[in-house]
Amino acid sequence: GDSVTQMEGPVTLSEEAFLTINCTYTATGYPSLFWYVQYPGEGLQLLLKATKADDKGSNKGFEATYRKETTSFHLEKGSVQVSDSAVYFCALSFNKLIFGAGTRLAVHP
Amino acid sequence: EAGVVQSPRYKIIEKKQPVAFWCNPISGHNTLYWYRQNLGQGPELLIRYENEEAVDDSQLPKDRFSAERLKGVDSTLKIQPAELGDSAVYLCASSRSPGSSLYEQYFGPGTRLTVT
Repeated sequence: GDSVTQMEGPVTLSEEAFLTINCTYTATGYPSLFWYVQYPGEGLQLLLKATKADDKGSNKGFEATYRKETTSFHLEKGSVQVSDSAVYFCALSFNKLIFGAGTRLAVHP
Repeated sequence: EAGVVQSPRYKIIEKKQPVAFWCNPISGHNTLYWYRQNLGQGPELLIRYENEEAVDDSQLPKDRFSAERLKGVDSTLKIQPAELGDSAVYLCASSRSPGSSLYEQYFGPGTRLTVT
């Protein structure tokens, strides 16, 4: 069945470091792809999305490109801040969202 | 615009007791979802409603779980009787239309259930 695999956390970085969180998917067809973020004590929020191959989603300095050939949707940010500390979920969707297990990011000053 | 509202935020019950969770979606959102999120995992869909109709309940444990969405707005998810393995965060989400290619869902803060 359809599934999403994310790199395991926690990922610990210093402020202003470069971030990559890997995400690959398995699906029959071409789903829409999403990154959601869950800040401490808050609900899931949509961070960015891409609906077709080679689309690049971006928001708040985060980017991810829909790579059909590698079935990937890696999340990147050039310079992380302490406020980016959260759990990040990669997800795919045809008619329902299927999430990965989440990757916890901790950014230290 | 108000977000998805859920209550209660936290619930502690003993096993074999019943429990209910309530969700009020964003106004105008016809599609409502209930998810369960176990510790250290991503959310998993339990049930999806289109207006009043449950269109995907394949992952709902129907022997103990039930849900309703009367009048196509608010929804209630019930567990009776609760088991230790039901401890999790129960998330409600809503969206305008599943037919949209964007398919953006908005999530509530969740209800954290602890079964002792």
